[in-house]
This record gives sequence, C-alpha cells and structure tokens, in this order.
Amino acid sequence: AQSVTQLGSHVSVSEGALVLLRCNYSSSVPPYLFWYVQYPNQGLQLLLKYTTGATLVKGINGFEAEFKKSETSFHLTKPSAHMSDAAEYFCAVSDRGGNNRLAFGKGNQVVVIP
Amino acid sequence: DAMVIQNPRYQVTQFGKPVTLSCSQTLNHNVMYWYQQKSSQAPKLLFHYYDKDFNNEADTPDNFQSRRPNTSFCFLDIRSPGLGDAAMYLCATSRELAGVGNEQFFGPGTRLTVL
Repeated sequence: AQSVTQLGSHVSVSEGALVLLRCNYSSSVPPYLFWYVQYPNQGLQLLLKYTTGATLVKGINGFEAEFKKSETSFHLTKPSAHMSDAAEYFCAVSDRGGNNRLAFGKGNQVVVIP
Repeated sequence: DAMVIQNPRYQVTQFGKPVTLSCSQTLNHNVMYWYQQKSSQAPKLLFHYYDKDFNNEADTPDNFQSRRPNTSFCFLDIRSPGLGDAAMYLCATSRELAGVGNEQFFGPGTRLTVL
C-alpha cells in the first residue's frame, strides 16, 4: 500500500523567505505525485503534479517540486513566501496502474510571518 | 467556467436526523468522489462512482450512502448523523479512473455541524 509522509504539521516562514515542504512516499513503483493547497473553508486546489518526463515540475503561484526517485521524495518549494501563501498543503500519490485513489499526507499548515 | 459545486456550503443538523449533501459538476467527468475531512486531518475517501458503478471503501460506515442519478449530480446521505460525523465533506471528480496523472478536481466542500 502506498503512503505519504509530511513532517512538521506547522511550518512558519518569514515573508520573502524560501518555502520548503517535504514529502516522501512509500510505493513499490513510482506513483503519480501531487501537491494540493487548501485555504480555510475551501476545497483542495491542485498546485502541481508529476506524471512522467522532466522531474522538476512548475506549478501555480510560483511553486515548484522535484521528483527524486532515489530519495522517494517530491519536495515543494517557492523561492519567496508571500502572505497569500498561508494555507494548508497536502502531498498526495496515486497508483499508476490502478484506481486513481489518492493517498494523502497529513498536511503542512504554513504560517507566513510579516 | 467548468467546475465542481457543492451545496450547501454549511449544513447544521441534529443528532440522528438524516441529512443529504449535494455535489454537481459541469466537467462531464466519469468519476465522482466523496471525502470526509476532519479538523487538521487529511481527506479520507468514503466512496466513488465510476459512471453508475458504485465503489465503497472498506472502512466507510454503513451510515453513509451515496446516489448518483446522472453524470452531473452526486449526493451523500448520512442516515443517522452522530457527533463524530461533524466534518468537512469534499466532492471531487476526475475524467477517468486511471491514466496519466488523472487529477481530481475538488469542490469547495460542505462543512457539517451536528448538534
């Protein structure tokens, strides 16, 4: 069974500083990988995804993530945090071969400090 | 714009009183999902429909049912809500069940309060 690990439920970052959210997965074969963002009382919005090809993926709002097969990781970064980045971020994986079930990490609540 | 719509956004019900949450989509996607998300937790899949084919997750309580009368609409019925069922309920859609990164599109959610 697939699983996703996101360490540190709350992440504080200063405005203008680097945002780094870590995601590691456990899967017998490399899965599809996703990052979602959730603003308060809203649904999940897709930030970016990795399916195949280039391992550095660029998403919306200036975010990007790099798939590293050797490290089973898909860490999310943004060079310069903005106040509007305060939200919850979920890493998720789904099986390439199967039923499109998403396995979510526990999420990171990002707080941006002015 | 094509989208996933959930009504109502906020729902209050009484302990044991049946409640129905609604989801509609204009994406014409084949698959519709219902998730339960409790405070500070990740979404948990309850069930999904592929077209009219219903698929229940093994650990979804019998208290939760779903109906999909047509491609556009899907309903979540909670027959006898308990206090533990208070949560955000998210509807999502995807074009197909499998394939290259078949992403799921989420609605804004319905926050259910049980008194």
